[in-house]
Amino acid sequence: GQSLEQPSEVTAVEGAIVQINCTYQTSGFYGLSWYQQHDGGAPTFLSYNALDGLEETGRFSSFLSRSDSYGYLLLQELQMKDSASYFCALGTNAGKSTFGDGTTLTVKP
Amino acid sequence: DTEVTQTPKHLVMGMTNKKSLKCEQHMGHRAMYWYKQKAKKPPELMFVYSYEKLSINESVPSRFSPECPNSSLLNLHLHALQPEDSALYLCASSQDLGVTGEQYFGPGTRLTVT
Repeated sequence: GQSLEQPSEVTAVEGAIVQINCTYQTSGFYGLSWYQQHDGGAPTFLSYNALDGLEETGRFSSFLSRSDSYGYLLLQELQMKDSASYFCALGTNAGKSTFGDGTTLTVKP
Repeated sequence: DTEVTQTPKHLVMGMTNKKSLKCEQHMGHRAMYWYKQKAKKPPELMFVYSYEKLSINESVPSRFSPECPNSSLLNLHLHALQPEDSALYLCASSQDLGVTGEQYFGPGTRLTVT
């Protein structure tokens, strides 16, 4: 089976940098994705790592280490609108994605 | 255009009703997905279609019946649901199963079973 662990809550102030970690266990690995979901909204794709290293998209970056079964999402220059839930998702067999339980990020002024 | 549309936005149905949820995408994606999401929980995969064929059924009860009429449309037929089936139902698509890590979600249908 697959399992993912991420912190349940993170709090940071506007303008700061925050890192949300995700560790996983799986028997097959295709990649690690990150999604943002605001209350009442749908998940929005942020980033995807299939290979080790850092992927950067604007204020968001995602990192993967397959040897450590670990990844993280880095959010820079935090804004109030970044307050949301962030899910890491593990792709295993082609087409199957398993989501972590989510991290609620609260950005304070 | 990275838009996936879903109708209806809200649905209230009784346990004896039959209803359908609809999903449409015009991104040329060949993989489409149904997820169920309860409040404060992550999305749970229900079904995956690839090139209009059912690829994955995550042991979903038969009261949920998916259908993929063409490459742009995905339906979820509902019959004899239970109150515990009340949830947000999300449709998603990706270019194909090889890019399953980059999925685009619709806004969801919030279903209440009474």
